[in-house]
Amino acid sequence: DVKVTQSSRYLVKRTGEKVFLECVQDMDHENMFWYRQDPGLGLRLIYFSYDVKMKEKGDIPEGYSVSREKKERFSLILESASTNQTSMYLCASSFGGATYEQYFGPGTRLTVT
Amino acid sequence: GENVEQHPSTLSVQEGDSAVIKCTYSDSASNYFPWYKQELGKRPQLIIDIRSNVGEKKDQRIAVTLNKTAKHFSLHITETQPEDSAVYFCAASGWGNNRLAFGKGNQVVVIP
Repeated sequence: DVKVTQSSRYLVKRTGEKVFLECVQDMDHENMFWYRQDPGLGLRLIYFSYDVKMKEKGDIPEGYSVSREKKERFSLILESASTNQTSMYLCASSFGGATYEQYFGPGTRLTVT
Repeated sequence: GENVEQHPSTLSVQEGDSAVIKCTYSDSASNYFPWYKQELGKRPQLIIDIRSNVGEKKDQRIAVTLNKTAKHFSLHITETQPEDSAVYFCAASGWGNNRLAFGKGNQVVVIP
């Protein structure tokens, strides 16, 4: 079974803090993704990575950065958290190419106060 | 880039009836159309997908149809059951080869 895990299920941070969300997959997938899920807005892609140290911006990259130093791990960084970044964050991974199934992690509910 | 729209946003059906969710896409070059299901409090999971060389695909009570000319594809759920209550996301592979464009999701509520 493919397993995608995220470092926290719930996280509460203060405005201005630097926040790290980590995602680990155990299936040797090339692609990894970070999405943000808000009611009525669906799944919005923040960043994705198709190889180690490679990254591409998604639809809403502002205020976020990512890091992929190892194939199995993809980190999302909020450089200076703001209240409008309060959301559910979902990580996903897949083999290379968009036509492969994406496997999602359980999500991290981030609250910025 | 690719833009995927889903209608209706919320669909309520009586248990045992059929449910149909329709999605439209903008990029005529898209060739892969998956559907993901997200139950309350759980992660999205792929339930069925279709490629542009096929017009219809079935898997037990669910089916997906594709109309490339009109650029729309639909999810059909027959004999709905309470466990079909969920948010359903359609998606399409548009520009590039590594990402999907997701729709905003449809809430399906099956009334017992």
